[in-house]
Parts: sequence; C-alpha cells; structure tokens
Amino acid sequence: QITLKESGPTLVKPTQTLTLTCTFSGFSLSTSGVGVGWIRQPPGKALEWLALIYWDDDKRYSPSLKSRLTITKDTSKNQVVLTMTNMDPVDTATYYCAHRIAAFDYWGQGTLVTVSS
Amino acid sequence: QSALTQPPSASGSPGQSVTISCTGTSSDVGGYNYVSWYQQHPGKAPKLMIYEVSKRPSGVPDRFSGSKSGNTASLTVSGLQAEDEADYYCSSYAGSTIEVFGGGTKLTVL
Repeated sequence: QITLKESGPTLVKPTQTLTLTCTFSGFSLSTSGVGVGWIRQPPGKALEWLALIYWDDDKRYSPSLKSRLTITKDTSKNQVVLTMTNMDPVDTATYYCAHRIAAFDYWGQGTLVTVSS
Repeated sequence: QSALTQPPSASGSPGQSVTISCTGTSSDVGGYNYVSWYQQHPGKAPKLMIYEVSKRPSGVPDRFSGSKSGNTASLTVSGLQAEDEADYYCSSYAGSTIEVFGGGTKLTVL
C-alpha cells in the first residue's frame, strides 16, 4: 500500500532555511502521471498548497511562495525534498507531503514545524 | 491565487443531508473539472473524499457526493452520521498554479 512520511526539524529560527524530506513507499515517482506535493496547515487554519513535483521532473510552486521554495526528488531513494528559505514565525505549521494523480489521494501524517528564536 | 470561498460552518442532525459550497472563479473551479474534497478530523491528516468533481475513491461511502455549477462546487453528505463531524476542504486545479484550497468548513452533527 502507499505510505508517505515527512521528516525534518521541529524547530527552526527566523531567517533559517527549512529542509523537509518526504520518504514514500508503494509507488514509484518514475511512473507516468504520478506527482508528490507539499501542503501546509498553520495551527487552527486552512490547508495551503506549496509545491508539486511530477514523475518527469516538472516542478510547480505556489505563486506567493515561489521565490522561497525548491522541490527536488531522488527516485532511487523514494524521497522528495522541500526547502523553504528565510523562515518566519508565520511559517509555523504542520507540513504534509501527499501522493497525487488526479488529486492528493494519499497523505503523510504531517510534521509540525515551529519557527521561533 | 486567492483561496476558494467556503462557509466557515455547517450543521445537521443525524440522518439529515447537508451541502457545503465552494466558490471560485473561471480560472479554477469554473475552468476545470478537477475539484476535490477532503475530510479532516482533529489532529489527523486530510482524507480525499471526492475528486474530479463527483468521483469517490474506493472506500468512501456513497453518502458523500459532489457536483459543480459554474464557479461553485458542492459537497453533499446524506444520512449524516456522528463520524462525519469534521473539517471539510475543497480544492481545485488552477492551471499552472496547480492547486488552490478553500478556507475550510467545520461540519457539526447536532
């Protein structure tokens, strides 16, 4: 079955760069049509789509965060990495990675990242 | 890209039906048949309930149905059950932007 799990720091300081890793199993990111995306959710607030990478290495970013985000994949390791630069306390959120074909149909458990000095 | 507009809350009694709306624009909801709905219980990851406007993933009860008219999509939950109480989020493909989510609706089963 398809599973995804996010990993990374739970606490980062303002201005630092956040690096999150999504490790998945049950599918290959080299299969046509498959994508892995990142979505975040500040405490008590709504979901926000951040970035998506497709099997063919096509990358898409949220327009409002594009300058701060980079998404990459390592197909051999079944991992997708998201980096977000210049972190700010407003970036405090639970960060999810999710498998996507027609929609985000499988989600990781999420990882809470707190931005504080 | 602005978030899709959802009512902050909705409610219904067990056995009743409730409909949650999701309003966007011709650049997202109205322009593509790629509207999805997610259910999220407190402290849990979202779960896909509806995709491509009205399709249900395997395992989702047929009490959940989706539709769209113009720039507004809707999720209807029929025969409300206690376990349906959750937050519901719509999302839509938005072209090169890929995805935009709604602000979420808290569904209360009275």
